[in-house]
Amino acid sequence: QKEVEQNSGPLSVPEGAIASLNCTYSDRGSQSFFWYRQYSGKSPELIMFIYSNGDKEDGRFTAQLNKASQYVSLLIRDSQPSDSATYLCAVMLSGAGSYQLTFGKGTKLSVIP
Amino acid sequence: NAGVTQTPKFQVLKTGQSMTLQCAQDMNHNSMYWYRQDPGMGLRLIYYSASEGTTDKGEVPNGYNVSRLNKREFSLRLESAAPSQTSVYFCASSEPYRGSSTDTQYFGPGTRLTVL
Repeated sequence: QKEVEQNSGPLSVPEGAIASLNCTYSDRGSQSFFWYRQYSGKSPELIMFIYSNGDKEDGRFTAQLNKASQYVSLLIRDSQPSDSATYLCAVMLSGAGSYQLTFGKGTKLSVIP
Repeated sequence: NAGVTQTPKFQVLKTGQSMTLQCAQDMNHNSMYWYRQDPGMGLRLIYYSASEGTTDKGEVPNGYNVSRLNKREFSLRLESAAPSQTSVYFCASSEPYRGSSTDTQYFGPGTRLTVL
């Protein structure tokens, strides 16, 4: 049973602070890791993905992966009220001929002005 | 370039009625997916199609059927709707990300289905 765990939140941070979102996964065969943002009533949109250990930065977002600890995180620097959304962590077990994602239940982030 | 489109946006059914949710993508992606999203349950895969002509079950396939009509279109059918199928349904499509072996999924706007 592949599981992806996230704290449901809500996580509240003041505007301008760093928001830290965490995700753990159970399947050691997982190869790729994704962060999606979902605004209320909208569809998930991809923020970034990571598949190598270490950090990957894209603007205000940094994804961190530690495969030994089966842990992936997303840091949002200089948080803005527009970052208030639910953040979904997803993992992919590649090499199976199709690219299935297993999603966590999401962490709700609230950025307080 | 519309990306992934879904119809209808909203639907109310009575128990036992049938309906088909439509999905189309114009990104020339090979793989397509159907998910449902319920409060507190996250996104769960119902069926997927790795390529035109193939379909496979996901985590929660019971009560659903799918058809990959062509490369662009992937439909989801509820033959006899039940209240437990009240949910938000998302279609997605994917392509291998350039320069890597991973695959990124892009989602449609969703269909909000209520079964009474």
